[in-house]
Amino acid sequence: DAGVIQSPRHEVTEMGQEVTLRCKPISGHDYLFWYRQTMMRGLELLIYFNNNVPIDDSGMPEDRFSAKMPNASFSTLKIQPSEPRDSAVYFCASRGGLVTGELFFGEGSRLTVL
Amino acid sequence: DQQVKQNSPSLSVQEGRISILNCDYTNSMFDYFLWYKKYPAEGPTFLISISSIKDKNEDGRFTVFLNKSAKHLSLHIVPSQPGDSAVYFCAARPTGNQFYFGTGTSLTVIP
Repeated sequence: DAGVIQSPRHEVTEMGQEVTLRCKPISGHDYLFWYRQTMMRGLELLIYFNNNVPIDDSGMPEDRFSAKMPNASFSTLKIQPSEPRDSAVYFCASRGGLVTGELFFGEGSRLTVL
Repeated sequence: DQQVKQNSPSLSVQEGRISILNCDYTNSMFDYFLWYKKYPAEGPTFLISISSIKDKNEDGRFTVFLNKSAKHLSLHIVPSQPGDSAVYFCAARPTGNQFYFGTGTSLTVIP
């Protein structure tokens, strides 16, 4: 399997612009997670889905952030409007249904908002 | 508030010696613990895990120890190799699906 695939790998944008990050989970995995990595907070959970349904979005920092999973093989994380403090690496991860199943991460999308 | 804490941002160890990475947690409901390893420009990759019913799990050069009374776990790497240089994240999960991660410890193994 190709693993979790994220795009773009790097995104540089200006404050106020819309940013869309994309993720394709591992086939057959029914959980999908979006994390943000910062120096201060490490890997911070933003939202996770089970069978395409959002289960917990309490980590989404503001209404500027939204996430969707229209089908089992695709998810997006959107920031609108973006701000400089949103600059971070955003990771998507997926896992199967086993109780002890670990997360499989994508390579991340590095976002820089100027 | 951080429920999983890695208080050492960095650690340097000589090749061949033991590396000990530490992690503390606050939630007594956590029942499953994991360590992830991350190289620059890559996503974290799973390294080793331990269930709360155990106090030790070993996989080759890597051993994870869990002290539930102290809410503390540690990762031992013996012997350390230059290829082990990476950022190590501790993670914990209560019954359910949400994984909580620490802020990471950057390990440098000096040849």
